[in-house]
Order: sequence, then structure tokens, then C-alpha cells
Amino acid sequence: QQQVKQSPQSLIVQKGGISIINCAYENTAFDYFPWYQQFPGKGPALLIAIRPDVSEKKEGRFTISFNKSAKQFSLHIMDSQPGDSATYFCAVYNQGGKLIFGQGTELSVKP
Amino acid sequence: EAGVTQFPSHSVIEKGQTVTLRCDPISGHDNLYWYRRVMGKEIKFLLHFVKESKQDESGMPNNRFLAERTGGTYSTLKVQPAELEDSGVYFCASSQAGLAGKNIQYFGAGTRLSVL
Repeated sequence: QQQVKQSPQSLIVQKGGISIINCAYENTAFDYFPWYQQFPGKGPALLIAIRPDVSEKKEGRFTISFNKSAKQFSLHIMDSQPGDSATYFCAVYNQGGKLIFGQGTELSVKP
Repeated sequence: EAGVTQFPSHSVIEKGQTVTLRCDPISGHDNLYWYRRVMGKEIKFLLHFVKESKQDESGMPNNRFLAERTGGTYSTLKVQPAELEDSGVYFCASSQAGLAGKNIQYFGAGTRLSVL
């Protein structure tokens, strides 16, 4: 069963625009919600993460919004740049430490 | 400091053959994880080592997969015999000791396995 559902699968945004990627999860036991960024030929790298006791976390142009009651969280990339073009994965994990990933979103930012 | 290193970067084998993937974690990281991404799908957990012990191997697909971690350092993942559905990208990640769920997992670049 798929515990984390991510959308959209692909996204094309103009330079300077806002990129929004959404994730929904099922199990309320998860207690850490990271986003990973992956460039071609590289492994996923932690971009930003949030814990369920806050509703929003911002780091530079990247913001996570978290809705605990709806069991949803999203990544917003403000002023998107061509260098942001990559695959983005949302993930969840609990005390066990195992990451459960969404399907990934291929973001393309056009100049 | 070196990151997580995986070898080979790409392996092409025929169905029925054996392949061994290797992962060298970041020095001093007790936690080592294996994940796999099949084409276009999510990255799926395979197993988790704490030092040389298997902490969780609930994601291992079947007994054709064997993971080891010698002396709590590098790890190998052997597939024997390989089947077509084993094709995908195999990632290794490592994190520091302590509560595994609270530590950042650092990923290697992955091994792309193609079974023909």
C-alpha cells in the first residue's frame, strides 16, 4: 500500500514563478517530514524538513506548509530558478528511522 | 569529508546472473540503509543496519537478496539470481548514531541495475 501520495508527477514553471508540490500521508504516527532534492546522476539530498508541531517552515526560497488535521504537507519554491530543476521527493518517517517516500515530482523551470 | 560512495554506478547483467552492489557510508555513521527506486515509482526502503546488525529488513523483496555489513563499515547487497523486475536504481544512505529517526540520512549517487 502506498503510504505517501505525491502530486504532481511533473511540473513546468517559468523562471520567477512559484512551484508547488503536494503530499498526503496516511499514518499519524509519522513524526518527521523531509523533502529531498535529486539532480540527475546524484543521490537525493535533504532540502528542508518539518516536525508536526509547527505549521510552516521557511528556508530561503523554500517553504514547507504542514496541515496535521488533513495529513498533508506541501513544498513551495518561490522565485523558481532554472537551477531548481530537479526531482523532488517528499518523505515521512517515524521512530524506526526508515524513510517512506512519495513517487517524486520532476520540476522543470524554464528560463 | 567523503560522502556515501556506491559502486558500481551502473551494472548490466543477464537474467539469472549474480550481482553485488557495494556501499561505503560516511565514516563514523552507524546507521546504513538500502533503498531502491524502480522506474518512475517511489524510492522504497529495503533494509537498515545499525553497525553490523540488521535492525529492519522488512523491505527486502525475497530471499534472492542478501545484504551484509562487514565489521560495521561498508555494506554489500547481493542479488542472486537476478530477475528482470530487479532492475532499478539502488541507493545507500547513512546517518549518525542515536535515534535513527532524528538523524539526517545522506544518500549515495546510487547504482543503476539493468537486468536483461
